Amino acid sequence: EAGVTQFPSHSVIEKGQTVTLRCDPISGHDNLYWYRRVMGKEIKFLLHFVKESKQDESGMPNNRFLAERTGGTYSTLKVQPAELEDSGVYFCASSQVHQHYGYTFGSGTRLTVV
Amino acid sequence: GNSVTQMEGPVTLSEEAFLTINCTYTATGYPSLFWYVQYPGEGLQLLLKATKADDKGSNKGFEATYRKETTSFHLEKGSVQVSDSAVYFCALSGGNTPLVFGKGTRLSVIA
Repeated sequence: EAGVTQFPSHSVIEKGQTVTLRCDPISGHDNLYWYRRVMGKEIKFLLHFVKESKQDESGMPNNRFLAERTGGTYSTLKVQPAELEDSGVYFCASSQVHQHYGYTFGSGTRLTVV
Repeated sequence: GNSVTQMEGPVTLSEEAFLTINCTYTATGYPSLFWYVQYPGEGLQLLLKATKADDKGSNKGFEATYRKETTSFHLEKGSVQVSDSAVYFCALSGGNTPLVFGKGTRLSVIA
């Protein structure tokens, strides 16, 4: 089966610009998660979708971040306007059942804001 | 809240050396514990897990034992290979709560 796909793999944007990251989960996986790793720090949870609904968005840092999952398939994470501290690697993961047995992660999108 | 502390890297070892990466955690209740690995250019992969005290997770020659008395889940491998070079993340989950990760430890194995 195809894995979790994220694109772009890298993005370099200027402060104040907008960037949209995309995640295609494994087909049939209702649960989709976004995580972020800021340079040298922990990978931190951002939010969790069940189908198209936001189940938990407690990790979203501020209202410059907007996540959507229209139709319960792929998800986008938009940062508008981007700030320097948003730089990092954004990971997406999916699972068939909400569980702690280990999700399937994508390769991540490395975002650099200059 | 839940947290994970793992040893800072980078760690550089010669091939066939013994590896230990320390991981300790703070959590309420009885979390599940994980080690994830990220090889260069790839996503995070689950390496092994343990869901209750004294469980030993193992995979690809790596092992970690869930020690509740010391709140630890140290990763070990008896003989590392160049192909083990990667970043290793310790993580926990308290059931239906999101995964909480450590900062990651970069391992470089040289021939």
